[in-house]
Amino acid sequence: DAKTTQPPSMDCAEGRAANLPCNHSTISGNEYVYWYRQIHSQGPQYIIHGLKNNETNEMASLIITEDRKSSTLILPHATLRDTAVYYCIVSRDNYGQNFVFGPGTRLSVLP
Amino acid sequence: NAGVTQTPKFRILKIGQSMTLQCAQDMNHNYMYWYRQDPGMGLKLIYYSVGAGITDKGEVPNGYNVSRSTTEDFPLRLELAAPSQTSVYFCASSYKGGLFSGELFFGEGSRLTVL
Repeated sequence: DAKTTQPPSMDCAEGRAANLPCNHSTISGNEYVYWYRQIHSQGPQYIIHGLKNNETNEMASLIITEDRKSSTLILPHATLRDTAVYYCIVSRDNYGQNFVFGPGTRLSVLP
Repeated sequence: NAGVTQTPKFRILKIGQSMTLQCAQDMNHNYMYWYRQDPGMGLKLIYYSVGAGITDKGEVPNGYNVSRSTTEDFPLRLELAAPSQTSVYFCASSYKGGLFSGELFFGEGSRLTVL
């Protein structure tokens, strides 16, 4: 599965949009982009995933570039409760056994 | 519907002791996983199972054993505990048929310290 690169940390003002980037330049055609987050020491929580098209759900939006080499997770109106480590994962649709949770991006939402 | 339940939440072991971390899920999921997370790091896959009676190694299986006798339970056994096994352990489950939703469901974690 393709590797991902994320910035180690980011800040965002409360109420503003948080845009978290992820590079996956070696992604192959059958690999999905998944986003998870981990709040404090809790277990990671699924956010969203996509293959080619942009996706939106009640938590976030996922924007995937046309060449699929990078993506951005958007939290439209960040709150203090969105402070967490965010993981970008690229994997084939094979039920999660090849998911690699790297160091992620530590997002701090500031009041 | 409790989801994924892990016990114990905290445990201190002496070097050389053995113990079992318990994991149970009530979502009828086929796949179950054990991860470990060291401080400031991501999660590393220890073992996973695609169904009862089937287990397979992940990235860091040495020093651990698992079994999957039922769909619901996936215990992780530590034999001869070492300080390097001090970590937070997460159990997760996924998929009960149809299209994979992309979602792994995680337990709250078990914090293990080996002294």
